[in-house]
Amino acid sequence: GENVEQHPSTLSVQEGDSAVIKCTYSDSASNYFPWYKQELGKRPQLIIDIRSNVGEKKDQRIAVTLNKTAKHFSLHITETQPEDSAVYFCAATMNRDDKIIFGKGTRLHILP
Amino acid sequence: EPEVTQTPSHQVTQMGQEVILRCVPISNHLYFYWYRQILGQKVEFLVSFYNNEISEKSEIFDDQFSVERPDGSNFTLKIRSTKLEDSAMYFCASKEARSGNTIYFGEGSWLTVV
Repeated sequence: GENVEQHPSTLSVQEGDSAVIKCTYSDSASNYFPWYKQELGKRPQLIIDIRSNVGEKKDQRIAVTLNKTAKHFSLHITETQPEDSAVYFCAATMNRDDKIIFGKGTRLHILP
Repeated sequence: EPEVTQTPSHQVTQMGQEVILRCVPISNHLYFYWYRQILGQKVEFLVSFYNNEISEKSEIFDDQFSVERPDGSNFTLKIRSTKLEDSAMYFCASKEARSGNTIYFGEGSWLTVV
């Protein structure tokens, strides 16, 4: 089955700087890669996703890149703000599967 | 915006007791899920459900767990005899169709087994 590795586990970034979180996946058949943001005690919320026929996708300060050959995908947050502090999870899924598999999460701290 | 709703938000139960967690998925969605998140850890897949049957389950989803869709709207997770290690946040989720669609999560049910 699919296995998703995520790093770093924690990341501290000065407000206004960029943050990058990286993930790898094991199953080359995976074709959909969502990113979720989870605030303390809350549910995971989808912030951006990318499909395997696309190499990059951007939504305001958030971008995701996908390298299918290397089975890597990354989340980039630019001009970080205090409200970006949260745990971020990458995930992967295949068309033939119903489920998504999550990485272990990255706790992002935005420093004032 | 339609939401997945879950009840209860928090339940405390004695070890060995049965627990039922309830979910109302988004109305036009066809795929339903339960995920578990132990405090401070990642979100783990438990089970997926489609067309009134389990389509996939993880090794966590042993004989103590069961799911049911008793009517057209509710989707329940039952833990038959709770253990201390079942203490976690349980998220229900739903998806409209199979092919790479977004999975929407409920707010979660926090289960504490004492």
